[in-house]
Amino acid sequence: DAGVIQSPRHEVTEMGQEVTLRCKPISGHNSLFWYRQTMMRGLELLIYFNNNVPIDDSGMPEDRFSAKMPNASFSTLKIQPSEPRDSAVYFCASSSLGQLNTEAFFGQGTRLTVV
Amino acid sequence: SQQGEEDPQALSIQEGENATMNCSYKTSINNLQWYRQNSGRGLVHLILIRSNEREKHSGRLRVTLDTSKKSSSLLITASRAADTASYFCATDESGNTPLVFGKGTRLSVIA
Repeated sequence: DAGVIQSPRHEVTEMGQEVTLRCKPISGHNSLFWYRQTMMRGLELLIYFNNNVPIDDSGMPEDRFSAKMPNASFSTLKIQPSEPRDSAVYFCASSSLGQLNTEAFFGQGTRLTVV
Repeated sequence: SQQGEEDPQALSIQEGENATMNCSYKTSINNLQWYRQNSGRGLVHLILIRSNEREKHSGRLRVTLDTSKKSSSLLITASRAADTASYFCATDESGNTPLVFGKGTRLSVIA
């Protein structure tokens, strides 16, 4: 398996534009997580899915953020409209929740810059 | 919300020295994990210690866990320049919930 795959690696967009981040989890994992990393706040959990169903989106900062997981092999995180304060590195991770003592596997991240 | 808090925030040592990083957390846990992040990359799992374990080794890594103090430490022995990275602790409360990460310790190993 190639691991968790995120695209794009880098995104520069203008304020007000829509941004879509993509993630392909590891095959066989039942859970997918979206994290945001900034210097000020560290690594924050935005939302996670279990068996393609959103379980907890309490970390999503605003209604401008939305996430979907239409099938077990694909998820998107959308920001519309984007703002400069959304600039951060966004990570997708997958794991097998429900199995004791499992680790999370992270993608390489998408570095988002909103100007 | 942050569960684990690493200490120190930054650490600079000479190659060959040992590096110790600490992590404190707030709630009961199922296990505690340590991750490494190289600059510009994703996090990579290093080691996991279960709540009923007190110490675990993996190569040059040694992790301890004190559940009574809600704290853990990561020791890297005989450090190398390639160990330069950020290190994060993450807590797993039940095995059915996402990991909660601290803000990390930035380790610099000077050759």
